[in-house]
Amino acid sequence: AQKITQTQPGMFVQEKEAVTLDCTYDTSDPSYGLFWYKQPSSGEMIFLIYQGSYDQQNATEGRYSLNFQKARKSANLVISASQLGDSAMYFCAAGGTSYGKLTFGQGTILTVHP
Amino acid sequence: NAGVTQTPKFQVLKTGQSMTLQCAQDMNHNSMYWYRQDPGMGLRLIYYSASEGTTDKGEVPNGYNVSRLNKREFSLRLESAAPSQTSVYFCASSDVGVFSNQPQHFGDGTRLSIL
Repeated sequence: AQKITQTQPGMFVQEKEAVTLDCTYDTSDPSYGLFWYKQPSSGEMIFLIYQGSYDQQNATEGRYSLNFQKARKSANLVISASQLGDSAMYFCAAGGTSYGKLTFGQGTILTVHP
Repeated sequence: NAGVTQTPKFQVLKTGQSMTLQCAQDMNHNSMYWYRQDPGMGLRLIYYSASEGTTDKGEVPNGYNVSRLNKREFSLRLESAAPSQTSVYFCASSDVGVFSNQPQHFGDGTRLSIL
């Protein structure tokens, strides 16, 4: 079983600045995957980035990067050059050896100011 | 480019009524999932189907049943709706387990209110 903790209920950032959204996880699985999803106000869930527990390098996808610190059990999402369209709820999720089952955190609401 | 399609998008039920939420995916994925999202909380897994012909309970299965009708379709049934089941329901599918970089693809959700 996994537990995901997102300690920032809300975050604010100026347009064009970088922002880090925190995520810590707890799992008993030796192998696991970490995901970040974006949920805009329209409600759909949009996949952003994935990190495998045995991946040597931090994952990057365009303006998104995942700061993976295995010893600290953290998987923070870094968004560079924030845009107004980045305003949304962001969820961290983890999955382990139970095939495909994901556990989600409570989410962080990001607001980007012009 | 439909991906995961959920029907209906909105529904209002009275306590005790039954209802089936439909989900279909056109990506030839093996695994399908049902989640619920309550205000201030992340998604919680209700049931999942690792492959056609199998279903298993997730974190919050009580009050629900599922059917994996074929590889494309995975339905969620509320036999006797309760106000506590008021939520947004998401269906998702994925190609393989979490040890690849293939994410779960989500439908747009069903907003269900039970009075």
